[in-house]
Amino acid sequence: DGGITQSPKYLFRKEGQNVTLSCEQNLNHDAMYWYRQDPGQGLRLIYYSQIVNDFQKGDIAEGYSVSREKKESFPLTVTSAQKNPTAFYLCASRSAGARGYTFGSGTRLTVV
Amino acid sequence: GQQLNQSPQSMFIQEGEDVSMNCTSSSIFNTWLWYKQDPGEGPVLLIALYKAGELTSNGRLTAQFGITRKDSFLNISASIPSDVGIYFCAGQLSGGSQGNLIFGKGTKLSVKP
Repeated sequence: DGGITQSPKYLFRKEGQNVTLSCEQNLNHDAMYWYRQDPGQGLRLIYYSQIVNDFQKGDIAEGYSVSREKKESFPLTVTSAQKNPTAFYLCASRSAGARGYTFGSGTRLTVV
Repeated sequence: GQQLNQSPQSMFIQEGEDVSMNCTSSSIFNTWLWYKQDPGEGPVLLIALYKAGELTSNGRLTAQFGITRKDSFLNISASIPSDVGIYFCAGQLSGGSQGNLIFGKGTKLSVKP
């Protein structure tokens, strides 16, 4: 079955360490997105990519980095520069011409 | 970034009651979408609306694309405990940047059996 997979589901890291969240899709979707979700804040766009080897900053890109070397994969690195990294992170994808996104099941990152 | 005004922020209802929530904006949208997020999971698309005035149902859920293209509502009839979750509206701006969706902050629904 086609879908979008985020791993791991739960991630714990010490303050000051970089951490990479995985997002893989086998839907053959062109565009991929990373959102951050905090209680009561809704979904805030971190980065997005419309095609391979190209990506754009979203509304809250500071302290994050991404790469898009393959169509299927869009990993997100939370760097030590991100001041408040503890949150629920959602990855999404969309095919060209489609209006809605397909979301992964999320990764909950806790930094201690 | 721009966000939609979604209300109410939260709702506590009794099982069997009907629910209504809405999203408004000062901008014109060419698409409205409604998603549901179960606790600890990613949002799942419930209903998509593509034309002003469109009324679409999905089981006990009904959503409408406002005539002005600046608002949308979602109704849930005869609520059941599994309706619990966060409901998000999302819209695509007419002429918006690369077609990215804009999300509301969500309506958290709690249902008492």
